[in-house]
Amino acid sequence: EAQVTQNPRYLITVTGKKLTVTCSQNMNHEYMSWYRQDPGLGLRQIYYSMNVEVTDKGDVPEGYKVSRKEKRNFPLILESPSPNQTSLYFCASSLSYTSTDTQYFGPGTRLTVL
Amino acid sequence: AQSVTQLGSHVSVSEGALVLLRCNYSSSVPPYLFWYVQYPNQGLQLLLKYTSAATLVKGINGFEAEFKKSETSFHLTKPSAHMSDAAEYFCAVRPMDSSYKLIFGSGTRLLVRP
Repeated sequence: EAQVTQNPRYLITVTGKKLTVTCSQNMNHEYMSWYRQDPGLGLRQIYYSMNVEVTDKGDVPEGYKVSRKEKRNFPLILESPSPNQTSLYFCASSLSYTSTDTQYFGPGTRLTVL
Repeated sequence: AQSVTQLGSHVSVSEGALVLLRCNYSSSVPPYLFWYVQYPNQGLQLLLKYTSAATLVKGINGFEAEFKKSETSFHLTKPSAHMSDAAEYFCAVRPMDSSYKLIFGSGTRLLVRP
């Protein structure tokens, strides 16, 4: 089944404890992206990647890191999480970054930083 | 900068009634436009997209949207609401000059009354 998977689905952590949220897609997509969803703000893009080893900042990149060493994986790293990073995170992928391509979303990771 | 406005954070309709969810974009150049749906505890799923072909776009689950350049709008409609349509709906735009970026509105939660 074609899908985007994220792990973990739920995570509660404490301020300053490094964490990684994994994202994997099995559709051979070139483009991958991370979003955070906050009430009343919709989804905001954190980072995106147009292909292996090509990443760039989205609208809200502060406090996050990403890497794209393999085409299928695009982990999101929070090196020193803070409470304002408590949010619902979504990974998405599409065949390419062509404007009309559909983005497919993972199920989300709900992160709470205490 | 490109932006998307969804009028009404909550819309309530009776089962069988018309569904109308509003979306306006800000751009002098029509972007590509998308509607996504998010069911509880799930990721986002594409309902439909406008890619400069037909102005009336039909999507899944009986939804459709009409692109109106003069009104910079892309409202989502469904003739008859079903209980299973209760979800959050997001309008998104992809600017012509930034094909890697997907800008989301703040979302509209649709409630369907029996």
